[in-house]
Amino acid sequence: SQTIHQWPATLVQPVGSPLSLECTVEGTSNPNLYWYRQAAGRGLQLLFYSVGIGQISSEVPQNLSASRPQDRQFILSSKKLLLSDSGFYLCAWSVPTGGAGETQYFGPGTRLLVL
Amino acid sequence: SQQGEEDPQALSIQEGENATMNCSYKTSINNLQWYRQNSGRGLVHLILIRSNEREKHSGRLRVTLDTSKKSSSLLITASRAADTASYFCASRAAGNKLTFGGGTRVLVKP
Repeated sequence: SQTIHQWPATLVQPVGSPLSLECTVEGTSNPNLYWYRQAAGRGLQLLFYSVGIGQISSEVPQNLSASRPQDRQFILSSKKLLLSDSGFYLCAWSVPTGGAGETQYFGPGTRLLVL
Repeated sequence: SQQGEEDPQALSIQEGENATMNCSYKTSINNLQWYRQNSGRGLVHLILIRSNEREKHSGRLRVTLDTSKKSSSLLITASRAADTASYFCASRAAGNKLTFGGGTRVLVKP
């Protein structure tokens, strides 16, 4: 069966420090991968998605970047964190069927607090 | 910007009652999906309804889709305390992206 892992679960970082969040998927090949951010009590904002190794699409201009060095690994990074980067970061994957039904499967999330 | 809008934003009901929440979207879609999120956790997929479907059932869940009104509803029948969570709709237009609504927070009181 497929599983998705995210780490760390919680992170407290000072403003201006770098960031690296990791997401890995097991049990599937060539998944579509997604990074979302969720502000407290709000919906999800798509940050990046990837349809293959080295292929990253950015949805919003921001202080963050994403990379996909391996088929089932998706990394969210920042060189210098801002206070506004605080939030709940969710990684998700989906099967790239290309059809209309593309359910996304979410990881447990990383709660980031920038102080 | 988020395409989906959900109402109500919050809902409080007694165990055993039904809970209904609505979702509106702006552009044509391939499908619409509903997800559930327990506090501080990831989202869990509940049900998917395609643009050519009008109603779908899964256990105690009933989803309707009205493409002429660009709206969907999720009904949870005979609610339980364990149904307490936030519920999100997500619309899928052409391409790989889902656009999520702001969510409805449901509290089921025992």
